[in-house]
Amino acid sequence: NAGVTQTPKFRILKIGQSMTLQCTQDMNHNYMYWYRQDPGMGLKLIYYSVGAGITDKGEVPNGYNVSRSTTEDFPLRLELAAPSQTSVYFCASSYSRGLGTEAFFGQGTRLTVV
Amino acid sequence: TQLLEQSPQFLSIQEGENLTVYCNSSSVFSSLQWYRQEPGEGPVLLVTVVTGGEVKKLKRLTFQFGDARKDSSLHITAAQPGDTGLYLCAGARRAGNMLTFGGGTRLMVKP
Repeated sequence: NAGVTQTPKFRILKIGQSMTLQCTQDMNHNYMYWYRQDPGMGLKLIYYSVGAGITDKGEVPNGYNVSRSTTEDFPLRLELAAPSQTSVYFCASSYSRGLGTEAFFGQGTRLTVV
Repeated sequence: TQLLEQSPQFLSIQEGENLTVYCNSSSVFSSLQWYRQEPGEGPVLLVTVVTGGEVKKLKRLTFQFGDARKDSSLHITAAQPGDTGLYLCAGARRAGNMLTFGGGTRLMVKP
């Protein structure tokens, strides 16, 4: 069972460079999310999507963009990398339920901007 | 200010001790979840509670949802080194809605 797959696992970027963090899920979940986790902290929501073609901002969207052209894929784009974007990025997906929303997470992408 | 406040932020205890971590909010949640995250991995769901006053047990872990559905606690009995990790609570304001995470409690259990 693949679940949620993120690539790459590690990346070092120079200030001003751009990159795309890939995320794909094979569980046919309609909800997908991008979180960032700074050292020793909890998760902050960057963007989320409730289905293909629909995206919305979370708590900390500045400096990021997303797209959701298919149910399976939810890439996160950094256009002009800044040191403040050094973090671990987690993609997650969930299936909308009547009660409770269990989120399944990828293993994370550790990004360093120098 | 986080919508969900977890306490303590850090906890270091000896194997065999008991501990309780808390997740508090001024808002009402339709459901609340606890996740555990190990280094280098994503969070993994431990439990979901949906009813005010609900208590769920998972081996040595006991989870409780407050009567008013604004808070939750996680109690671990006879902690073991394998319990070491970051414990995160997460709440959904409405059924099926996206999760809001707390800041986490980092637990270290020393042998």
